[in-house]
Order: sequence, then C-alpha cells, then structure tokens
Amino acid sequence: DIVLTQSPATLSVTPGDRVSLSCRASQSISNYLHWYQQKSHESPRLLIKYASQSISGIPSRFSGSGSGTDFTLSINSVETEDFGMYFCQQSNSWPFTFGSGTKLEIK
Amino acid sequence: DVQLQESGPGLVKPSQSLSLTCTVTGYSITSDYAWNWIRQFPGNKLEWMGYISYSGSTSYNPSLKSRISITRDTSKNQFFLQLNSVTTEDTATYYCARKGSSLYYAMDYWGQGTSVTVSS
Repeated sequence: DIVLTQSPATLSVTPGDRVSLSCRASQSISNYLHWYQQKSHESPRLLIKYASQSISGIPSRFSGSGSGTDFTLSINSVETEDFGMYFCQQSNSWPFTFGSGTKLEIK
Repeated sequence: DVQLQESGPGLVKPSQSLSLTCTVTGYSITSDYAWNWIRQFPGNKLEWMGYISYSGSTSYNPSLKSRISITRDTSKNQFFLQLNSVTTEDTATYYCARKGSSLYYAMDYWGQGTSVTVSS
C-alpha cells in the first residue's frame, strides 16, 4: 500500500498567517493526490483535487502544488473558519489511502 | 444537490456482523460514479473500505476482503455495507461517499457519518 506521511502533525497559527501543509508519498503517485478539510464533528470536504485543481465553492485562499512524491497544501491568510483537520488521499492505486492528518489550530 | 445519508445500529456485539445503509438522493447510483465506504477510527485515522460502482462491480480493501461485502438496492437508490466477525477494533465512524467511476477521481460528496461501537 502507498503510505502518505503528513507533516506537521499539529500547526498552531494566527489568523492572517500563510501556512503550508506537507504530504509525502512512499512512491510516486503522479498528481493523483487530493486534499480534504474536516472540521470537528463534520465529514471531510474536498478542497483540492489532482494536487492543484481547485474545487467549486472552495475559497481561493486554498491552493495545492506538487507531483510525484511531494505535495503541499497552502492557505493564504488563514481565517478562523479554517481551523480543523486536513487530510491528503491518493488515488493512484488500490487500496486508496489517506495521510494521518494535520491539525490546524489557533495559536 | 447530491446527498448521502448513513444509517444503521450504533452498537454491535463482537463476532457479529455490522450492517449499514447509505441512502442517496439527488442522483441515481446506477447512472455513474463509484459509491464508497470509508471509516474513521478514534484518533482520526481514515481507511477506505471499498466501493460498488454504478454498474454493480465491487472493489474492496485487501485488509478487509474476507469480511466485507458491499451491495445495493437500485429501486431504493441505496447501497449497503456488511462487515462480518467484528471486533472492538472495528469501532469507528463510518462514512459513505461518492467518487468518480475512474480509478483516479477524488471523493466529492460525503455523508455525515454514523458512529458504530463494537462492545459486548
């Protein structure tokens, strides 16, 4: 199975900061990497697909980059509504796997 | 708009079977897409369990392959999860989600999730 390693596990930030979350794959997955946001007591929500493609209805401050094994989710000017968990997921091969998540919290 | 809603018992005894239903509204499960089950363990780890495609074919996570079955009722626009011989390690929140029918697609719609506890 492809292992996705997310870092850091926890990121403490102040509203207005620019942040970068990392996801590293154990083998190349091209751009078949997706990002999800999960707020407390809610289901995951798709933020970015295919590493860098935006999703309708998602604020433009969210962006993604990377290919192969190294990927980054960036949030330009974090807002209070952005705090929660962020997961990456690969769809390059079965079984689909998820990273362990990064918790974005208020400093 | 597409909506998915999980339902089923919140408590299952060890060694028994876990059975959940996902009811889909706003889209026919026979038109397109793959209809997935994903679970989230305490501590937030997510695990993809398997899917049933619009054509009725299935794909399962090999880690579960001997215990899992995903079926559907097209007349009710529902699909189902059965997980056999459960243990306390199957305690999790279970989500159903929609994914494009090709391998590479992301999961774009999720249900709200249903919590299942395995305990005697």
